[in-house]
Amino acid sequence: DTAVSQTPKYLVTQMGNDKSIKCEQNLGHDTMYWYKQDSKKFLKIMFSYNNKELIINETVPNRFSPKSPDKAHLNLHINSLELGDSAVYFCASSQVSNEQFFGPGTRLTVL
Amino acid sequence: GEDVEQSLFLSVREGDSSVINCTYTDSSSTYLYWYKQEPGAGLQLLTYIFSNMDMKQDQRLTVLLNKKDKHLSLRIADTQTGDSAIYFCAESIGGGNKLTFGTGTQLKVEL
Repeated sequence: DTAVSQTPKYLVTQMGNDKSIKCEQNLGHDTMYWYKQDSKKFLKIMFSYNNKELIINETVPNRFSPKSPDKAHLNLHINSLELGDSAVYFCASSQVSNEQFFGPGTRLTVL
Repeated sequence: GEDVEQSLFLSVREGDSSVINCTYTDSSSTYLYWYKQEPGAGLQLLTYIFSNMDMKQDQRLTVLLNKKDKHLSLRIADTQTGDSAIYFCAESIGGGNKLTFGTGTQLKVEL
C-alpha cells in the first residue's frame, strides 16, 4: 500500500524516559512533517524536512530532535519525556505544498 | 497573526446540509484547505481553494471564500452518518509548506 506509516501506534512510557517514533512514506515525496495534536484536538506543526534538510522548526523544546536518514523517513526522538508531551503525533508528507498526506498517528502517553 | 478559528461543535440531521465556518487573520494566505479527521485516524484532505477563487464545488462539498471578511466555509450537502468527524480548516501562506490549522469543528450527524 502506498501511504505514510508510523510506528508505534501507541506508546506508553514513564516521565524522564527517551523514546522515538518512526515515520516512513513510500509516496516518493520530498517533504515530510511532524505535527502534535493535543488533548483538545489542536494541531500544530513541529518540524518539516525537505530532502533531508530542516526547513521548518517551530518553537519546540530541544528535547525533541527530528532525524531524516533519507527523504522517505523522518523519525522523532524525544529526550527526558514530560507529562505535557502526552499527545497524538502525526507524520505527514507532500510533494507539492497544496496536499499533505497524513499518517495514522502515534498516541504518546507519559505517566 | 496566524489565528484560525472555528466553532467547536455542529449537530445536523441526516440528509440536511452542514455548514462549517472558519475565520482566519492572515490576509496573505495563498491556499485554504479543509481536512477531515475520523476517530482514531489521521487527517484526510477533502478539498482546497486558491485565494483568488470565491467558490469551489466538488460533488457534495462546496467551499466558499470571502477574502474581504477572511471567512471560509465548507458546505456538505445531504449529510450522512459517515460524515461525522472533526473538520479542520487550514491556511498556507505564499504557497509554502507550513500549514496553520484551525481549532477543529466536531460534526455530529443524527438520524
